[in-house]
Amino acid sequence: GENVEQHPSTLSVQEGDSAVIKCTYSDSASNYFPWYKQELGKRPQLIIDIRSNVGEKKDQRIAVTLNKTAKHFSLHITETQPEDSAVYFCAAYTGGFKTIFGAGTRLFVKA
Amino acid sequence: DARVTQTPRHKVTEMGQEVTMRCQPILGHNTVFWYRQTMMQGLELLAYFRNRAPLDDSGMPKDRFSAEMPDATLATLKIQPSEPRDSAVYFCASGSQTTDTQYFGPGTRLTVL
Repeated sequence: GENVEQHPSTLSVQEGDSAVIKCTYSDSASNYFPWYKQELGKRPQLIIDIRSNVGEKKDQRIAVTLNKTAKHFSLHITETQPEDSAVYFCAAYTGGFKTIFGAGTRLFVKA
Repeated sequence: DARVTQTPRHKVTEMGQEVTMRCQPILGHNTVFWYRQTMMQGLELLAYFRNRAPLDDSGMPKDRFSAEMPDATLATLKIQPSEPRDSAVYFCASGSQTTDTQYFGPGTRLTVL
């Protein structure tokens, strides 16, 4: 069935460094890829998304890249800050409005 | 700033009791999702509805779980009878066909003793 793999499961970086989280998906028909940030005890919140007709999208310190041929997409956070510490989920929209989520990456930003 | 709402936010119950969780989607959204989140399983899709009709509930244990949308402003998820392994945070999310994006509610933290 459809699957989204996310790596790494845990990531620890120093404040100011960059963080990269990678996801691969299995359904070549997937055409929409959102990223969610979930702080402890809170709801997942959309931080950035990308559609299959675009290769890269940026929003301030956050960027997402998509390689449709390889079926993988990545989240890049530059100049990390302690408030970036959270769990990040990637997802792939597989059609019929069904979204498959990755298992999540726990990001720690050390001050 | 429109948001998905869920009630109750916390529920502690004893094994065997019925649990009902409610969700109010964002006005105008026609798709509603129920997810379960545990430390071990991440975000697990239980069921989703479009225009109040169930599209997929294959992720839901049918012997004890049921999901309905009695009207466009209310979605419910029931567990009867509840078991300790049902302890988790249950999220509702709503979306629109025009954006594909899902917006999550605050969740219901369920503890079954």
